Amino acid sequence: GAVVSQHPSWVICKSGTSVKIECRSLDFQATTMFWYRQFPKQSLMLMATSNEGSKATYEQGVEKDKFLINHASLTLSTLTVTSAHPEDSSFYICSAAPGPTNYGYTFGSGTRLTVV
Amino acid sequence: GQQVMQIPQYQHVQEGEDFTTYCNSSTTLSNIQWYKQRPGGHPVFLIQLVKSGEVKKQKRLTFQFGEAKKNSSLHITATQTTDVGTYFCAGFTGANSKLTFGKGITLSVRP
Repeated sequence: GAVVSQHPSWVICKSGTSVKIECRSLDFQATTMFWYRQFPKQSLMLMATSNEGSKATYEQGVEKDKFLINHASLTLSTLTVTSAHPEDSSFYICSAAPGPTNYGYTFGSGTRLTVV
Repeated sequence: GQQVMQIPQYQHVQEGEDFTTYCNSSTTLSNIQWYKQRPGGHPVFLIQLVKSGEVKKQKRLTFQFGEAKKNSSLHITATQTTDVGTYFCAGFTGANSKLTFGKGITLSVRP
């Protein structure tokens, strides 16, 4: 089946530094990928839609200068959390649709970010 | 904006009992999907429902889409400890292609 590889799976960084998270579609091409944030025992909140070769579309309330998204190829999207602060600590997950919607979205394994 | 609601957020059952949970949307959905997230894991796609009144089964799991396409249900027959996890419903509207997730229901099963 379709696989979305996300890494790192966890990262600890100091306040003020930047962290890059990668999301790759391994056996399919994804012109669109989605980035979610999930707080403990909470739902998935869509942060932005990553579009290959064009600018990402951010959801209301998500700072585009803080959460930089780059989708330079059909198989790779990156999310960079810039100048991270402790409140950015969360579980970040990417997803993509490998085919028609009836196949659902395939999610990456997620990245646990802890900012200290 | 579109809201997808799942209440309650937690449910505890004894192994062998049946379990049913519901998902309600504030707007008519073009389709609805269900996902399962095991503790510490990521969401995994279970099924999609498209037609009004549609019913689909996967072994002990039965999914139904309401006639008005604004609600859906998931029923698990004779729960097992392997059913533990959080079940999310997520819906598309025709107005956009964004998938809106409910808050999920976390199921625990006592052996």
